[in-house]
Amino acid sequence: KAGVTQTPRYLIKTRGQQVTLSCSPISGHRSVSWYQQTPGQGLQFLFEYFSETQRNKGNFPGRFSGRQFSNSRSEMNVSTLELGDSALYLCASSLDVTEGELFFGEGSRLTVL
Amino acid sequence: AQSVTQLGSHVSVSEGALVLLRCNYSSSVPPYLFWYVQYPNQGLQLLLKYTSAATLVKGINGFEAEFKKSETSFHLTKPSAHMSDAAEYFCAVSGNFNKFYFGSGTKLNVKP
Repeated sequence: KAGVTQTPRYLIKTRGQQVTLSCSPISGHRSVSWYQQTPGQGLQFLFEYFSETQRNKGNFPGRFSGRQFSNSRSEMNVSTLELGDSALYLCASSLDVTEGELFFGEGSRLTVL
Repeated sequence: AQSVTQLGSHVSVSEGALVLLRCNYSSSVPPYLFWYVQYPNQGLQLLLKYTSAATLVKGINGFEAEFKKSETSFHLTKPSAHMSDAAEYFCAVSGNFNKFYFGSGTKLNVKP
């Protein structure tokens, strides 16, 4: 069974640009979550989607957005990039059950210059 | 509200020694607790999870954790450390709609 796939794995952008990251969940998983990981802030929740609906959102500015498609694949977008957006962005998929765990992809490492 | 506190951002042990990584949680409801491991430049991998079936939970790679409600703790242990255990470990508690609350992580260093 294929795991969670994130693309691209690495990318470099400059301030003011925008970026789109992609996530393909495990087959059968309809919940997709996104986390930002930085050395200073640790793992911070961005948002969660289920059946194309955003059910939960973290405390990030509106520059951070996401969506989910009918095949459960998800994308997140960051507009007007800032230096502080440099981070590892992790996608996780899960079954929508109370005790379900998150299955993580290897992440997309974004560097903003 | 749920939250997790991990005591010790860095832990160093000798190969073959006991590994103990501490995690305390706060939850307004019976918690579902998890330990994840992260190797450099990789995502998080589930080590084990507590879902109220048993207080002592066994995971992969010889790790186990004990849920202690009275102490609101879920510490991770391994009897004998191996060099390959060097990684960062995260404790987490799940919330509504798959929102997980992660601790700040503990980096485990294993000395030969």
